[in-house]
Amino acid sequence: QKEVEQNSGPLSVPEGAIASLNCTYSDRGSQSFFWYRQYSGKSPELIMFIYSNGDKEDGRFTAQLNKASQYVSLLIRDSQPSDSATYLCAVKDNFNKFYFGSGTKLNVKP
Amino acid sequence: NAGVTQTPKFRILKIGQSMTLQCTQDMNHNYMYWYRQDPGMGLKLIYYSVGAGITDKGEVPNGYNVSRSTTEDFPLRLELAAPSQTSVYFCASSSIALGDGYTFGSGTRLTVV
Repeated sequence: QKEVEQNSGPLSVPEGAIASLNCTYSDRGSQSFFWYRQYSGKSPELIMFIYSNGDKEDGRFTAQLNKASQYVSLLIRDSQPSDSATYLCAVKDNFNKFYFGSGTKLNVKP
Repeated sequence: NAGVTQTPKFRILKIGQSMTLQCTQDMNHNYMYWYRQDPGMGLKLIYYSVGAGITDKGEVPNGYNVSRSTTEDFPLRLELAAPSQTSVYFCASSSIALGDGYTFGSGTRLTVV
């Protein structure tokens, strides 16, 4: 069974702060890693993917990958109340199947 | 482009009834998936398909069936509904590209009473 672990939260940060979301995975053969944002009652939407060790930046979002430690993180800079959502970490295996963590709920306080 | 279209959006079933959740995509993706999402439990894979005529079980296939007669359509059949199948169901599709994530449908909220 391929496991993807996330802290369920909630993670509360003040507006303008950096939110740090973490994820660990069990399958060392995993190739690519994704972060989805899910607003309450909505379907998940893709915000970032990463497949190389190191950092990948896209606007206010930075994904970090450490394959040796089997660890993925997402940093959200200058957090806004509109960033309040559940963030899902997903790992893609060699058969194009995704395994999802249970998600971390983020609350950004104005 | 419509992307991934799921119907219905909401449904209430009585125990023992059956129904089909419809899923259609217009992106010519070979890969299609059905997930269920229970509160606080993340997304669990029910069934997936790598192309027309090819399907396989995921993590939680019991109580469900699928078929894939065309690239576009991937319906999910619930037979003999049980309260444990109360959940939100998402259909998704993707290509094989390394950086290609899922495109999700809007979901079906199913309640079995």
